[in-house]
Amino acid sequence: DQQVKQNSPSLSVQEGRISILNCDYTNSMFDYFLWYKKYPAEGPTFLISISSIKDKNEDGRFTVFLNKSAKHLSLHIVPSQPGDSAVYFCAASIYSNDYKLSFGAGTTVTVRA
Amino acid sequence: NAGVMQNPRHLVRRRGQEARLRCSPMKGHSHVYWYRQLPEEGLKFMVYLQKENIIDESGMPKERFSAEFPKEGPSILRIQQVVRGDSAAYFCASSPSLGGYEQYFGPGTRLTVT
Repeated sequence: DQQVKQNSPSLSVQEGRISILNCDYTNSMFDYFLWYKKYPAEGPTFLISISSIKDKNEDGRFTVFLNKSAKHLSLHIVPSQPGDSAVYFCAASIYSNDYKLSFGAGTTVTVRA
Repeated sequence: NAGVMQNPRHLVRRRGQEARLRCSPMKGHSHVYWYRQLPEEGLKFMVYLQKENIIDESGMPKERFSAEFPKEGPSILRIQQVVRGDSAAYFCASSPSLGGYEQYFGPGTRLTVT
């Protein structure tokens, strides 16, 4: 059962524009959320995270928004750059058991020049 | 500082053979995690190990799969009598302490069962 869902398998965006990636979860016990970025032939690398006590976390060009009531989070990348072309995974954990990450299937982002 | 290393990167096995996947954690990391990614799905947690101890194997299939992290050497994920459904990418991650955001992933081993 997929507890973390990324319903858009792919996203194409023009360089300089905003990329918005969405993620939904079903397990109300999740209270820590992460985004990972993955290039081909490499493992996922941690990008940004957010705790359920917050609704926004920002790190440079990357901002994650959390809507707990809707069980939804999103990742905004502004401005998008060619090097952002990658697969982005949303992940979640129950903080007390926080090594066990549940991942979405990923969204492939392509940034067009 | 070398990252998490996994080998082989690609492994082809016939049905019924054994598959051994190796993971060398980052230097100084004593926590190792294995994940499996089936086609069109996200990574799924399999097992969490510390040196010489299996801490949590709740994500491991009950049969044919085993994992170890010996005192010396890499962590090994072993799949006996492989079946076509075992074809997947297997990722190993390590961390210096317990924490999801501190998991550093290796490049994965892609297992193909023919």
